Amino acid sequence: QQQVKQSPQSLIVQKGGISIINCAYENTAFDYFPWYQQFPGKGPALLIAIRPDVSEKKEGRFTISFNKSAKQFSLHIMDSQPGDSATYFCAAETSGSRLTFGEGTQLTVNP
Amino acid sequence: DTGVSQNPRHKITKRGQNVTFRCDPISEHNRLYWYRQTLGQGPEFLTYFQNEAQLEKSRLLSDRFSAERPKGSFSTLEIQRTEQGDSAMYLCASSLTRNTEAFFGQGTRLTVV
Repeated sequence: QQQVKQSPQSLIVQKGGISIINCAYENTAFDYFPWYQQFPGKGPALLIAIRPDVSEKKEGRFTISFNKSAKQFSLHIMDSQPGDSATYFCAAETSGSRLTFGEGTQLTVNP
Repeated sequence: DTGVSQNPRHKITKRGQNVTFRCDPISEHNRLYWYRQTLGQGPEFLTYFQNEAQLEKSRLLSDRFSAERPKGSFSTLEIQRTEQGDSAMYLCASSLTRNTEAFFGQGTRLTVV
């Protein structure tokens, strides 16, 4: 299976709150898990990525948590800001292949 | 600007016409990918190149679609006999090699009327 399932479809958070987006996959051959941020009319931009040899990666306010046994990974956005309002996509890739994307989560951060 | 460049940004065409999009990847990036994105959905893989070789094509890519990457530099995606269902954002991405960061262009939005 090449699918990556993402939830929730939409998320509303207050400024300063924590945004959490979850993804699950089936294909155990996936070995690279990036998160992309997309603003309307723009292409996706890489936010943060993780490989399955680590369980967590943090960059600034963004953290990926990875659970290899459960085949799940999640994005946490700390201290969410209105400028974070965008659509977020998780993705997965097998070595030497290409990205399979989740369905996307539309995040709205209210001021 | 050293990012991935796509042209045109927007294209409106009549059903049945042929269209061609161009993608200029980041210099020295060996891999080039094409994806299609419809409203409210994640990008769907179409095809990718390693240098000038087309290594994989999605089942989504009907015989009306063709992609080339001559000399391993820029790439073109052509859609022949366009249909309304082809209306979408066509995204190009490039990466230095396999399993490295893929950088996306701004996309070409195609509207078939």
